[in-house]
Amino acid sequence: KAGVTQTPRYLIKTRGQQVTLSCSPISGHRSVSWYQQTPGQGLQFLFEYFSETQRNKGNFPGRFSGRQFSNSRSEMNVSTLELGDSALYLCASRRTGANLEQYFGPGTRLTVT
Amino acid sequence: KQEVTQIPAALSVPEGENLVLNCSFTDSAIYNLQWFRQDPGKGLTSLLLIQSSQREQTSGRLNASLDKSSGRSTLYIAASQPGDSATYLCAEGGSQGNLIFGKGTKLSVKP
Repeated sequence: KAGVTQTPRYLIKTRGQQVTLSCSPISGHRSVSWYQQTPGQGLQFLFEYFSETQRNKGNFPGRFSGRQFSNSRSEMNVSTLELGDSALYLCASRRTGANLEQYFGPGTRLTVT
Repeated sequence: KQEVTQIPAALSVPEGENLVLNCSFTDSAIYNLQWFRQDPGKGLTSLLLIQSSQREQTSGRLNASLDKSSGRSTLYIAASQPGDSATYLCAEGGSQGNLIFGKGTKLSVKP
């Protein structure tokens, strides 16, 4: 069974630009969550999507948004990029149910210059 | 505010040693606790998941325990190997399903 895949793996953008990251969950998994990892803050929850609806959201500004498609694939968008947005962005998928194991993808390394 | 703390931040041990990594959490309504491994620049690999109704889980040389009353979890690694060198993260799962992570323990196992 294929794992969680994320594209692209690496990205370099300039301040003020916007970026879209993609995540394909494990087959049969309907929940996709996004996390940001930085050296200073560690791993922080961005949002979770289930059945094309945002179900939960972390404490991030509105520049961070996402969506989920009918095939459970998810995209995350960051507009008006800032230097502080440089991070490893990880997505995780699981079947329904809050008590189920989450499986992470390899991440997208975003560098903002 | 829910918080997860991992101590120590870094640990260096000789090969073959048994070791314990610690994780503490503040949310008594925890749904589950998950331990992950992260190699440099990579994603997270799930090691063990303990439901709130369970006391421990085992997988190979790894054993994780959960004590909700004291707000603690431990990851025991038996007979450590250089290939175990990585950062180990614990994460508390709440009713909403999102994970709250500790900052991790960076483990180095010397040959």
